This record gives sequence, structure tokens and C-alpha cells, in this order.
Amino acid sequence: LMLTQPHSVSASPGKTVTISCTRSGGSIASNYVQWFQQRPGSSPTTVIYEDNQRPSGVPDRISGSIDSSSNSASLTISGLQTEDEADYFCQSYDNSNRHWVFGGGTRLTVL
Amino acid sequence: QVTLRESGPAQVTPTQTLSLTCSFSGFSLNTGGMCVNWVRQSPERALEWLARIDWDNDKYYSVSLKTRLAISKDTSKNQVVLTMTDMDPVDTATYYCTSGYSYGPKYWGHGTLVTVSS
Repeated sequence: LMLTQPHSVSASPGKTVTISCTRSGGSIASNYVQWFQQRPGSSPTTVIYEDNQRPSGVPDRISGSIDSSSNSASLTISGLQTEDEADYFCQSYDNSNRHWVFGGGTRLTVL
Repeated sequence: QVTLRESGPAQVTPTQTLSLTCSFSGFSLNTGGMCVNWVRQSPERALEWLARIDWDNDKYYSVSLKTRLAISKDTSKNQVVLTMTDMDPVDTATYYCTSGYSYGPKYWGHGTLVTVSS
């Protein structure tokens, strides 16, 4: 199981950006996908769990989804704000060895 | 409110054994379904899962690091301890403990940076 993310994305304030996470080795729908935000100098925080669920306190302009046709998960942030500038990581679970597997991370720049 | 805090040495020398403690509050590892996982992040920002301990004391380890890792819990103290033997400079990383689900974390600690250097 591997999760592949784009190295970086950028967009302007107020716009919408989507970050992909493509699974190789098994179906994206086989295991939940989580997304984490990591601002500079801080620890990661969970912004999406179970593919599309938001923890309390996460704004609804952040959403998650999965697409079986492309075998990928996506994190979408609308109404971009400068505070959204951060690294974003996806994560899923490998049933074969009970490991957590992380994507390589995507750096979001809000121009 | 769930909080987790990692503690341990900031620096170890090569071949030493690292011992990290995760002190947590807001949940109990006596509760069915609960677990604590350790994750590390390299200076290049890559995240790597290390180990997990469940409420019933089941333990799981990264295949690539299994021979070097041990995880244990002290439910009376609300603590989980991770030990890693034979430390190497490539093990330099920020080590996080997390709580949440078997399939992924919900809460993260602040992390502790461990540098392996002579």
C-alpha cells in the first residue's frame, strides 16, 4: 500500500483548492482515509477522519471525499485563507500488516 | 478534552536505547477500543508509523523496525512507553504519540525532537 500526494499546490485567497491522495495497492474504499494539517512549527492536527468526517472545530469549508474510479481521496478547501497555508498529509490503514501508511505530504501555499 | 504529551531525552548517542513516555489525559486505556500509537516525522517531514498498543494490551510494530521497538502501558499512570534500541543518526526525528482509532489518529501530542549524534 502506498499513498501518493502532489508535492505542492498553490492558490489565491478566497479560491478553492483540492489535494489528491492516490492509493496504489488495493482499493481506496477498503480502509478509511484521514487528513492532517500541519502548520509550520506545529504538530499535525486531524482535519478529516473516516474519509469525510470533520472533527469538532474544523470549519465546513474543509471537506474530504473518495473516488473509486481514480482510486484516490481528496481534500478540498474552499474560501482559502492565509491560515490554511500548511502541509497536508493523508493516511490510511494496511490490513495486511496493521500499519498506518502516510502520504508524502502536500505543501499548500496561499498566494 | 484529550491531551497527550511526549517526554524523553532530546539527544542520544548512536547505539544507545531511546525511551519515550507518552502521558495522556481525557481517556483511559482501560476502555474497550482505545489505543495509543507512536508516529515519527523525519527532518524531511515524512511521517512514519512505529507502534500501537491497545486497551487489551495487544501490541503491533512496524515491520521494518520490529526488532528494535517495544511498547508498554501503565494504565494507573495514564502512560505509554516506547523504547527503541540501537539508535542511529537516521532515527533523528520528532516523535509523536497519538490516540484515536486503530485505523488512524484523532489526537496528536506536541511531539518531542530526538537527535541522534555523537
